[in-house]
Amino acid sequence: NAGVTQTPKFQVLKTGQSMTLQCAQDMNHNSMYWYRQDPGMGLRLIYYSASEGTTDKGEVPNGYNVSRLNKREFSLRLESAAPSQTSVYFCASSEMFRTGNNQPQHFGDGTRLSIL
Amino acid sequence: DQQVKQNSPSLSVQEGRISILNCDYTNSMFDYFLWYKKYPAEGPTFLISISSIKDKNEDGRFTVFLNKSAKHLSLHIVPSQPGDSAVYFCAAKRGTASKLTFGTGTRLQVTL
Repeated sequence: NAGVTQTPKFQVLKTGQSMTLQCAQDMNHNSMYWYRQDPGMGLRLIYYSASEGTTDKGEVPNGYNVSRLNKREFSLRLESAAPSQTSVYFCASSEMFRTGNNQPQHFGDGTRLSIL
Repeated sequence: DQQVKQNSPSLSVQEGRISILNCDYTNSMFDYFLWYKKYPAEGPTFLISISSIKDKNEDGRFTVFLNKSAKHLSLHIVPSQPGDSAVYFCAAKRGTASKLTFGTGTRLQVTL
């Protein structure tokens, strides 16, 4: 019962380095999401992919790029890491909304990223 | 602009008593609400949800109440157990959109 798997679990980067966070789900979900969690800020949506082949910006997209590689995988890339991007990153997946059928999002256990 | 607000950062309740966690929202277009529970070093897990066409939804020890006129929802846990100690996030969505807007979370501690 893997659900949503995120790699790596921890990472330390230097300012200016690049990094790709990986996410894979085995629930055959259409929609996938990337969030960041900061103290006192809750979870904020960075990017999401409503279905394979589409991606859209969320609340805080600046400094990030995403790739929906296939139905299972959705990666988040930091091209030039900045200390402000120090955070815990969560990937989630869900069924696409269908009228009368709201399905909850399922989350991975997060990637703790520190940028020095 | 925080559209979903959880004004109590923390709450301490004795085991066996009722825990009440509150959430307010400002966007009247939100029509579906969820509560997530999060343990340290784990991702949030879905707890319970409610549609705007209802004012109450119950699942075992967990009940969510929705007051649309006040743009307020609450999560009641009865009776509270030590294993309920976690951070609880309120979240909301609108219409056919799949993305969620989260509150800042309330840390619940259930004491013996």
